[in-house]
Amino acid sequence: TQLLEQSPQFLSIQEGENLTVYCNSSSVFSSLQWYRQEPGEGPVLLVTVVTGGEVKKLKRLTFQFGDARKDSSLHITAAQTGDTGLYLCAGDGTGGFKTIFGAGTRLFVKA
Amino acid sequence: DAGVTQSPTHLIKTRGQQVTLRCSPKSGHDTVSWYQQALGQGPQFIFQYYEEEERQRGNFPDRFSGHQFPNYSSELNVNALLLGDSALYLCASSRQSWGQFFGPGTRLTVL
Repeated sequence: TQLLEQSPQFLSIQEGENLTVYCNSSSVFSSLQWYRQEPGEGPVLLVTVVTGGEVKKLKRLTFQFGDARKDSSLHITAAQTGDTGLYLCAGDGTGGFKTIFGAGTRLFVKA
Repeated sequence: DAGVTQSPTHLIKTRGQQVTLRCSPKSGHDTVSWYQQALGQGPQFIFQYYEEEERQRGNFPDRFSGHQFPNYSSELNVNALLLGDSALYLCASSRQSWGQFFGPGTRLTVL
């Protein structure tokens, strides 16, 4: 069974701090996606990483895909209150059409 | 360009009842996937529809069924509701790409 484990489950930090959240699996994924979800809304795609070792930057967010394509990380520099939300990693499941999600990291950035 | 829309926004049902949720995909998208997101968890894949057929199914009982119409919109039906079916039901649309666009979801409460 393919599983994506995210850590930490919950993170509360002060505005301006840096943070890293992790997404790990024992399975190889052809690609991994990161989403952010705010209360009462559906997840919004942030990035897709497809190549082992790939690093993508989106303003203050840096995403990395592990060399073996089994793990990924999201680093946020100088967090802002607007970064508050649930961060989900996801990958293509067996069969090719379903997407497997991790349980998410709930981030709260305090002013 | 409207994104993915879902109706209703909220729904309250009692055990044993049946419910139908609706989804209209983003313009130009032909594939619809449904997910169940329990409180504090990541979305769980229910099934995906493409060309009016169920293309892949997750680990959900037959009480969960769906349909896709010629205009690509979709319905999710759940029969014999259980308390454990209470969740946010998300619809996502895509067109031959890794990233999916999610709707805001339908919050179902079963009493």
